[in-house]
Amino acid sequence: DAGITQSPRYKITETGRQVTLMCHQTWSHSYMFWYRQDLGHGLRLIYYSAAADITDKGEVPDGYVVSRSKTENFPLTLESATRSQTSVYFCASYKAMNTEAFFGQGTRLTVV
Amino acid sequence: SQELEQSPQSLIVQEGKNLTINCTSSKTLYGLYWYKQKYGEGLIFLMMLQKGGEEKSHEKITAKLDEKKQQSSLHITASQPSHAGIYLCGAHGWGGAQKLVFGQGTRLTINP
Repeated sequence: DAGITQSPRYKITETGRQVTLMCHQTWSHSYMFWYRQDLGHGLRLIYYSAAADITDKGEVPDGYVVSRSKTENFPLTLESATRSQTSVYFCASYKAMNTEAFFGQGTRLTVV
Repeated sequence: SQELEQSPQSLIVQEGKNLTINCTSSKTLYGLYWYKQKYGEGLIFLMMLQKGGEEKSHEKITAKLDEKKQQSSLHITASQPSHAGIYLCGAHGWGGAQKLVFGQGTRLTINP
């Protein structure tokens, strides 16, 4: 099916563990983004990518790592999860600036 | 994002009433997006504005970008329960044009 999908939808992990959130889009969009959403903060940009092998930091990159070896995939890794990283994570993609950005359904991550 | 300020942060209105949400930037906006999010779900694209003075409408929702391209307003006429949710404005970043950053969101509640 065409679209942008995130997996898993829900994840509980322990402090200190590594966890990877997956994002896959079928349109071959150049740009992809990772956001976290917390109460009172709206969407905060973690990392973004303009193309395969090109990534850059957003507003809150600390504690996160990204890679983009293929255009359609943009995984986000928490190398050593902390409780402050408990959040809802959204992935998004768009073809070019000033075109609609499409969002995944989100991953609810709880770090205990 | 500190670069986009939304007001109010929350809004409670009686069904049938009109309302306005504002999104303000200290810098010129190059593309302004409005999204809606139902609680616990993904983001739905409403509209995008690019030109100063541009106005777009979708059903009972109208958005406008001012002439200076530093402020946008979202107006809902005759609000309905289906309008309830979180409204987010987004814009392309100023330090790197490709990134897409968002305001903190406005939580809209419609009372019957």
